[in-house]
Amino acid sequence: GENVEQHPSTLSVQEGDSAVIKCTYSDSASNYFPWYKQELGKRPQLIIDIRSNVGEKKDQRIAVTLNKTAKHFSLHITETQPEDSAVYFCAASRGGADGLTFGKGTHLIIQP
Amino acid sequence: NAGVTQTPKFRVLKTGQSMTLLCAQDMNHEYMYWYRQDPGMGLRLIHYSVGEGTTAKGEVPDGYNVSRLKKQNFLLGLESAAPSQTSVYFCASALDWGISYEQYFGPGTRLTVT
Repeated sequence: GENVEQHPSTLSVQEGDSAVIKCTYSDSASNYFPWYKQELGKRPQLIIDIRSNVGEKKDQRIAVTLNKTAKHFSLHITETQPEDSAVYFCAASRGGADGLTFGKGTHLIIQP
Repeated sequence: NAGVTQTPKFRVLKTGQSMTLLCAQDMNHEYMYWYRQDPGMGLRLIHYSVGEGTTAKGEVPDGYNVSRLKKQNFLLGLESAAPSQTSVYFCASALDWGISYEQYFGPGTRLTVT
């Protein structure tokens, strides 16, 4: 089955700086890669996703890049703000109804 | 729309007891999923359903059973709870992969087995 590795497990950045979180996946058939943000005690919330026919996608301060050859994808957050502090999860799926395979999460801390 | 709801929000069980978690969605979604989340871990898929009357095993199905008798509801059962099943359980639903890939999550059920 699919295996998703996520790094780093904890990331501390100064407010206003950029943050980058990286994930690798093992199943070359995976074609959907979402990123979720989870605040303490809350449900995961989709922040951005990308399909395998696209190399990059951007939504305001958030962007995701995908390298299918290397089987890795990354989340980029620019101009970080205190409200960006949370745990971020990457995930991968083959599509259809297979469900998502998640990474173990990155705790992003924004230092004032 | 309420989206995806879960009942109960919290539950404490003793080892060997049984219980059923209910997930309901009002978005007419075809696909529904049950995940568990343990500390320091991402979510792991327990079981899923591609439509009313169908279910399938995910990554960690042992000790759980599911049923989807109605399209809007997906039930997760624990027949004989074990401390290893202490976790936060999230239900999710998705419209149809041919239309949208996004999964919508419920608020979670925190289960403790003593």
